[in-house]
Amino acid sequence: EAQVTQNPRYLITVTGKKLTVTCSQNMNHEYMSWYRQDPGLGLRQIYYSMNVEVTDKGDVPEGYKVSRKEKRNFPLILESPSPNQTSLYFCASSSSGVRNEQFFGPGTRLTVL
Amino acid sequence: GENVEQHPSTLSVQEGDSAVIKCTYSDSASNYFPWYKQELGKGPQLIIDIRSNVGEKKDQRIAVTLNKTAKHFSLHITETQPEDSAVYFCALIRGNQFYFGTGTSLTVIP
Repeated sequence: EAQVTQNPRYLITVTGKKLTVTCSQNMNHEYMSWYRQDPGLGLRQIYYSMNVEVTDKGDVPEGYKVSRKEKRNFPLILESPSPNQTSLYFCASSSSGVRNEQFFGPGTRLTVL
Repeated sequence: GENVEQHPSTLSVQEGDSAVIKCTYSDSASNYFPWYKQELGKGPQLIIDIRSNVGEKKDQRIAVTLNKTAKHFSLHITETQPEDSAVYFCALIRGNQFYFGTGTSLTVIP
């Protein structure tokens, strides 16, 4: 089944404790992206990757890191999480450039205390 | 960044009526405008998209119109059904970056 998977689905952590949210897709997509969703703000792009070893900042990259060492994986790293990073996070992927359907993962709900 | 304004933020309609959601934007270089539907507890899913070389696109009960001169695009859902109840997001691309609207919570009343 073609899908985007994220882990964990739920995470409660404390300020300053490094964490990684994994994202994997099995559709051989070039473009991958991370978003955060907050009430009243919609979806905001954190980072995106056009292909392996190519990553770029989105609209809200502060406090986040990403890597794209393999085509299928695009982990989101929070080196020192803070309470304002409490949010719902989505990973997405699309094929052959950005002007195609993005397939979203199920989301990761992160709470930073 | 790009500013995408989406209205209304909430919309309630009777089953069978039509629903219209509108988005406005500022960057005239944008040329791809997708609409996503998000059901409770799930990730967004593409329902329709339009490119800047056309003014309207239809897919059964769903249509999208684009006015590049006025910089707005709209989602039209006809003959609404309870399963249309969800949050709808407009989006556009500037370069390789996506910008989403703030979402419209649509409730279809049986």
